[in-house]
Amino acid sequence: EAGVAQSPRYKIIEKRQSVAFWCNPISGHATLYWYQQILGQGPKLLIQFQNNGVVDDSQLPKDRFSAERLKGVDSTLKIQPAKLEDSAVYLCASSPPPAGGEQYFGPGTRLTVT
Amino acid sequence: DAKTTQPTSMDCAEGRAANLPCNHSTISGNEYVYWYRQIHSQGPQYIIHGLKNNETNEMASLIITEDRKSSTLILPHATLRDTAVYYCIVTGYSGGSNYKLTFGKGTLLTVNP
Repeated sequence: EAGVAQSPRYKIIEKRQSVAFWCNPISGHATLYWYQQILGQGPKLLIQFQNNGVVDDSQLPKDRFSAERLKGVDSTLKIQPAKLEDSAVYLCASSPPPAGGEQYFGPGTRLTVT
Repeated sequence: DAKTTQPTSMDCAEGRAANLPCNHSTISGNEYVYWYRQIHSQGPQYIIHGLKNNETNEMASLIITEDRKSSTLILPHATLRDTAVYYCIVTGYSGGSNYKLTFGKGTLLTVNP
């Protein structure tokens, strides 16, 4: 079974530029999550999708971050414009139905904002 | 979600059992205890979860106290590849955002040769 795929693996941008991350979840997984992990901390949930609908985006900085999950499969997370404090690893995870706490994580995208 | 408390770091000798404690004194009746680990430069990996009974799988055992206020993850024969940050998370059904995972800083387990 293929795991959660993410791209790119690394990205370096200058502040005020925009960036997008892509995630392809495990086939059949209805729920998709985006997390932000700052160095030395645990992952923090940014947004949760159930199929193509948003379930929880309470911790997403909506003035600069946006995410979509078209057709309930792939998802894209965008930052525009980026700030220095956005430097982090962005992790995508998915989970199968029924609802539970078992999530499968991708390898992450390491973003460096200079 | 209930909060958990874990030691910042632990050491273990290769081949010995690693016992990682977690306190979750405010856990509610419908909340589960989940354990994840994160090896350096990888995404977190699910290990095991339980409600009140002890659980075992191919990776680890989970021992939950009778009052459910604490638990211990046991890696029976630790190897160098088990060196990772281990996260204890308490979660359950909470309406729209079911089983939300709130990660703390976890315990850095270092397995020494």
